[in-house]
Amino acid sequence: DAGVIQSPRHEVTEMGQEVTLRCKPISGHDYLFWYRQTMMRGLELLIYFNNNVPIDDSGMPEDRFSAKMPNASFSTLKIQPSEPRDSAVYFCASRPLSGNTIYFGEGSWLTVV
Amino acid sequence: RKEVEQDPGPFNVPEGATVAFNCTYSNSASQSFFWYRQDCRKEPKLLMSVYSSGNEDGRFTAQLNRASQYISLLIRDSKLSDSATYLCVVNILIYNQGGKLIFGQGTELSVKP
Repeated sequence: DAGVIQSPRHEVTEMGQEVTLRCKPISGHDYLFWYRQTMMRGLELLIYFNNNVPIDDSGMPEDRFSAKMPNASFSTLKIQPSEPRDSAVYFCASRPLSGNTIYFGEGSWLTVV
Repeated sequence: RKEVEQDPGPFNVPEGATVAFNCTYSNSASQSFFWYRQDCRKEPKLLMSVYSSGNEDGRFTAQLNRASQYISLLIRDSKLSDSATYLCVVNILIYNQGGKLIFGQGTELSVKP
């Protein structure tokens, strides 16, 4: 079975550039989560969706960050413009309607120089 | 104050040792509780759920004290393969919108021969 699929796996970009991270959740899962992980702050919830609708975006750091889920099988997290402090691992995860276990993708490792 | 707090460690223990991790949470709306395991440069994966009555899975025992808002994980007879970061996780229920999983910063365990 395919798990949560993220792309790109690794990205190095220059400060000021736009970054788009992509996620395909597990088919049939109703919830999709975007997390960011750094050594200093650990794993932080940025935003989550239920049936493609954003439910809680209180973790989104600032207006430079935006997330969309145009359909049940695809979501994007965009950073524009990117800054060095955005360097982190960004995880996408999904969960079915029933049950509390969430399944993570392998992460997108972002470095902004 | 962070919603979920853990001792970051690292815990360095010899093979065969018993090690205990503690975690506290601040949100009384927390409904369910978990321990996740994260290997170096990998995504987090569910280790076990934590039930009010306490539960055991092989060498792993989890306990929950709702009154004190405290969760623990005990690992007996530790193995080299137990070396990882252990993440305490709480599910905060949002009315009619499922729940969001909030992660602690993780406790690093290193088991030595």
